[in-house]
Amino acid sequence: EIVLTQSPGTLSLSPGEGATLSCRASQSVSSNYLAWYQHKPGQAPRLLISGASSRATGIPDRFSGSGSGTDFSLTISRLEPEDFAVYYCQQYGSSPETFGQGTKLEIK
Amino acid sequence: EVQLVESGGGLVQPGGSLRLSCAASGFTFGSYWMTWLRQAPGKGPEWVATIKQGGNERDYVDSVKGRFTVSRDNAKNSLFLQMNSLRAEDTAMYYCARHMWGSFDYWGPGTLVTVSS
Repeated sequence: EIVLTQSPGTLSLSPGEGATLSCRASQSVSSNYLAWYQHKPGQAPRLLISGASSRATGIPDRFSGSGSGTDFSLTISRLEPEDFAVYYCQQYGSSPETFGQGTKLEIK
Repeated sequence: EVQLVESGGGLVQPGGSLRLSCAASGFTFGSYWMTWLRQAPGKGPEWVATIKQGGNERDYVDSVKGRFTVSRDNAKNSLFLQMNSLRAEDTAMYYCARHMWGSFDYWGPGTLVTVSS
């Protein structure tokens, strides 16, 4: 199965700053089938990005995804207070679908 | 508005059983694959099981094959996960999610399963 490694484990930033989260796959992700999710405590995880770069319905354009092959990124251009959460990447190009261990984005 | 709400979690002894339910609303439930995922403390989510629209095609992660059974009732907009022979390593928050071409576009808030003596 494909192992996804996210970095950094924790990112401490201030509102208004930009953030870049990384997701590296142990082998190439077929057709760039890579998704990103946001998860806040006690809430349902929220799909942000699918297909490596397509924003899901209702997701603000400050969220963008990029990358291909084995290296992918999620960029948040100007952090809002509600963006502080844990972010997961997921690949669905190979069975079984697998997730990274997460990056916690915390307020500095 | 799409809503998914899980129920049925709790504390169970090793070797015991639980049946999780997921109530769906806000979309045509019978038109979508549905999935159960879980997340153990301190880890990323893990795919557990998927069931296709008609309910006859199902797939499971290797670690639960033969112990867990996913099913659905399209008339009642409901998804189920029967979990037997539970182990300590099954302890996790369990989520139901709508499967959308391999990603999961809507999730419920989860139900906690704790396997402990």
